[in-house]
Amino acid sequence: GDKVKQSPSALSLQEGTNSALRCNFSIAATTVQWFLQNPRGSLINLFYLVPGTKENGRLKSAFDSKESYSTLHIRDAQLEDSGTYFCAADTGYQNFYFGKGTSLTVIP
Amino acid sequence: EAAVTQSPRSKVAVTGGKVTLSCHQTNNHDYMYWYRQDTGHGLRLIHYSYVADSTEKGDIPDGYKASRPSQENFSLILELASLSQTAVYFCASSDRNSGNTLYFGEGSRLIVV
Repeated sequence: GDKVKQSPSALSLQEGTNSALRCNFSIAATTVQWFLQNPRGSLINLFYLVPGTKENGRLKSAFDSKESYSTLHIRDAQLEDSGTYFCAADTGYQNFYFGKGTSLTVIP
Repeated sequence: EAAVTQSPRSKVAVTGGKVTLSCHQTNNHDYMYWYRQDTGHGLRLIHYSYVADSTEKGDIPDGYKASRPSQENFSLILELASLSQTAVYFCASSDRNSGNTLYFGEGSRLIVV
């Protein structure tokens, strides 16, 4: 089965609203990274996490290694937040396992 | 700013032909990776390397070879391209001393006909 499961697979948000994306791990993840793939296809690194939380502007991410999940919260969604969000987990061997992504569309 | 550059950015290849995708990084990172992206599958690891002149198999290495002639350069080689290898390929680099953050290139779109 999938080592990293992302949910939801797709999401539409009204501009200005909030949402949360989630990754569940069936591997012993030690670190997690979150990426945004923009409509041009570029992969942009959003967060690198050891267990704990990080915040950057309207984005906040948390990683709980004991419960094997990570979340990405988007506050006050803007049109430029549209794209596909991926999480990737590492088990300590520099081999990053990716989820299948959450496709986010922000509607005006 | 860290930089990973891939070439070519786009290629059409014939079935059975040889394809080489190249990657160059100026990050001074030890680790380099080749990922494949297919619709609905996220990114899957093909090969990676943690030192020059050495490569390791990832999760889906069949049909691919890799070469790391220097710290800066990492190539992915398809000796006999097949239709099933049509995909977007991403190169990335990382380094434990830089926090293990993955830095990606812009991707190479390969179409095998």
